[in-house]
Formats: sequence, structure tokens, C-alpha cells
Amino acid sequence: GNSVTQMEGPVTLSEEAFLTINCTYTATGYPSLFWYVQYPGEGLQLLLKATKADDKGSNKGFEATYRKETTSFHLEKGSVQVSDSAVYFCALRDYGGSQGNLIFGKGTKLSVKP
Amino acid sequence: DAGVTQSPTHLIKTRGQQVTLRCSPKSGHDTVSWYQQALGQGPQFIFQYYEEEERQRGNFPDRFSGHQFPNYSSELNVNALLLGDSALYLCASSLERRTNTEAFFGQGTRLTVV
Repeated sequence: GNSVTQMEGPVTLSEEAFLTINCTYTATGYPSLFWYVQYPGEGLQLLLKATKADDKGSNKGFEATYRKETTSFHLEKGSVQVSDSAVYFCALRDYGGSQGNLIFGKGTKLSVKP
Repeated sequence: DAGVTQSPTHLIKTRGQQVTLRCSPKSGHDTVSWYQQALGQGPQFIFQYYEEEERQRGNFPDRFSGHQFPNYSSELNVNALLLGDSALYLCASSLERRTNTEAFFGQGTRLTVV
């Protein structure tokens, strides 16, 4: 079945450090890929998405490229801030023409220290 | 424009009891999905409602049931509560006729079963 695997956390970085959170997926067909962020005590917010191979999603300095050949969608940011501290979830949705369900990874907790 | 709203925000129930959680989708959205997020885990898909019918279901027992009303709002019911049902329950809404549209999440209902 479809699944998402992302790197275990927690990840602790100093402010202005480079961030990479790895995500790989297993899916039939041509899924859409997403990164969601969850701040403490809150629900999920969409951070970025990519709907086909080689697409690059970007938002708030974060980027991820849909790599079909390696089935990956790694999240990167060049310079993290304390305000980026949160839990990040990689997710996929089967492309089926309707609103199929999202399948999430287990999440990676990021802590950024001043 | 109000986003997805869920009620209540917190709930404590006793094992064996029944619970109803409520969700109002984002304005203009017609599809509602429910997810269970156990502590330290990614959200797991429970089911999805569209046109007042359950369209898709994840791997959850029949103790979990739902309903969608004509105004697109939705309820999640859980019967015979178990300690393992303690989790954050997230509602997400989207628009059916736009494929790959963003799913907006509510802040969730934290259910504790004692």
C-alpha cells in the first residue's frame, strides 16, 4: 500500500543553520506530495505542495522537489529561524481525480535555538 | 472568512462511553475528512464525507461512525470508547470539484479517555 517515510526527529539546529528533512514515499500511480507544519497546540497548515514529477514547491523560504526517480520529496530551508520550531509532516495523496485521503509520515520535530 | 472550526477543543470521557465531535468546514467547501492523530504520530485517515455519504474509509472499526449534514458540517461519533482512542481528532475540508486542491485543517479536538 501507499506509505510515507520521513526522518526521525527531533532535529535541533541553531538559528540560520541549513535544514533538510528527508521524506520518501511508496505509491501506485502518480501521487501529489505535501509538507504540512504543526505548531504547538495547533492543527496542520499546508506548507507547500507538488503535484507532478520535477515540480518544486516553495513557501516561506522552504522548498521541496518532487523526485520520481528516487521517490523523494525532501524539505529544505537555507536559514532557519526560531519561529520555524514545529513538527513537520510529509504526506501524499493519490491522484485519482477526487479528494482522496492524505497519507502522512510520522512527523519530524524541529527545534531551532537562538 | 472562518476556516475549519471544530468543537469541543478538549474532552474527557470514561472508557465505554460514547462521544460526538463536530466540524464546520471552510466556507465554500463541500468535502469533510476526519483524521486521528495519536501522540507523537502522524494523522491517520478515518473517513471522508461528500454529499452526505461516507465515500472513503480508512482502517478503523465500526465503532467510528460519522455524518454529514446538508450544510456540509460533519460529526464524528465513537462508541464504546477505549483508552487507545485518546488522541487529537482533526477535521479537514476541501472542495470536491477541484482536484488536488488544498485540504484545510481545523485545530482539532483533544479527546482523553480515562
